[in-house]
Amino acid sequence: AQSVTQLDSQVPVFEEAPVELRCNYSSSVSVYLFWYVQYPNQGLQLLLKYLSGSTLVKGINGFEAEFNKSQTSFHLRKPSVHISDTAEYFCAVSDRSGGGADGLTFGKGTHLIIQP
Amino acid sequence: DVKVTQSSRYLVKRTGEKVFLECVQDMDHENMFWYRQDPGLGLRLIYFSYDVKMKEKGDIPEGYSVSREKKERFSLILESASTNQTSMYLCASSFSSLDRGGTDTQYFGPGTRLTVL
Repeated sequence: AQSVTQLDSQVPVFEEAPVELRCNYSSSVSVYLFWYVQYPNQGLQLLLKYLSGSTLVKGINGFEAEFNKSQTSFHLRKPSVHISDTAEYFCAVSDRSGGGADGLTFGKGTHLIIQP
Repeated sequence: DVKVTQSSRYLVKRTGEKVFLECVQDMDHENMFWYRQDPGLGLRLIYFSYDVKMKEKGDIPEGYSVSREKKERFSLILESASTNQTSMYLCASSFSSLDRGGTDTQYFGPGTRLTVL
């Protein structure tokens, strides 16, 4: 069984400051890792994903994440946030062997609040 | 672009009613999923389907059933709605990575906010 822990339920940050949203996972098998963003009253949108290869993954809207296998982490970062980044962010993991058919396991989400 | 649509954005039903939530995807995806989203709990998988007429229970299937008669359509059914089923329901779809060499990326619909009174 897999699990995902997002260590912060809420992160307030000033505009143009850097931000890191933390995600740790536990799994006994190799995994795919994802970050999704949910803007108010909308569905989830993929920010970035790690499948294999380079451990630093770049996504949309200037976000990036680094896969750290030894620490089982996949933290999301952005060097300078904008007010439009205010949203809920979800980290998710998928078992590689399942062919994607058995769904994603999500963390509980981190609410990023950008303060002017 | 992948498009996943859900039949309603907002729905209000009464306790005991039978409720149908419909989801349609236009990308010929094999896999389809239903999640519910609650504050502080994140997304939890209710049911998923990896092929027409196939279904598998997720983490919280109690009180729900599903139907997949066509590849593009996946319905979530609440046989007798209860107040604890008030939630945001999200549908998603993806390719089967084993068959298509695709990834596990899931594409989500906009969600249906269901209120059961």
